[in-house]
Amino acid sequence: GQNIDQPTEMTATEGAIVQINCTYQTSGFNGLFWYQQHAGEAPTFLSYNVLDGLEEKGRFSSFLSRSKGYSYLLLKELQMKDSASYLCAVRGGDYKLSFGAGTTVTVRA
Amino acid sequence: TAGITQAPTSQILAAGRSMTLRCTQDMRHNAMYWYRQDLGLGLRLIHYSNTAGTTGKGEVPDGYSVSRANTDDFPLTLASAVPSQTSVYFCASSDSPGQGQETQYFGPGTRLLVL
Repeated sequence: GQNIDQPTEMTATEGAIVQINCTYQTSGFNGLFWYQQHAGEAPTFLSYNVLDGLEEKGRFSSFLSRSKGYSYLLLKELQMKDSASYLCAVRGGDYKLSFGAGTTVTVRA
Repeated sequence: TAGITQAPTSQILAAGRSMTLRCTQDMRHNAMYWYRQDLGLGLRLIHYSNTAGTTGKGEVPDGYSVSRANTDDFPLTLASAVPSQTSVYFCASSDSPGQGQETQYFGPGTRLLVL
């Protein structure tokens, strides 16, 4: 089975940095994904990690440690439009995605 | 481009009735997926299809069936709806299932309430 844990909610101030952690225990590992989902909308792809280390994409970065079963998504220079749910997903040994429950980030002025 | 479309947007369904949720993509993607999203549980895979003519069971397939007669369409059928099937249903597609940075593109979702 797959077990993916991430915090339920986080709040941060506009312009600040927020780090969303994700820990996983899965049957096999073939990559970790982060998706963003605004309320009432579809998830959209943010980042992908398959090797250990940091992947940077503008204001967003994602980190992976396979030995620790751990990833984080770092959001820098927070903007109001970053208020959304962030979904951690692991592609397991069956090459299917298993999603965490999501972390709702609220950005305050 | 439309990407992925789903219909209906929302539906109220009486328990015991059948219903088909429609999903169409215009990206010529090989793989398509159906997920349900419930509060506190995240997205869970119901059924998938790696290519036209093939389907497979996901994590929560019971009570649902799918078909993949062509590349573009992947309908999800509830044969006899039950209240526990109240959820938001998302259809998704990807070009290279299980390979590299496989990006799944999601439709706008169908909100289903079974009473």
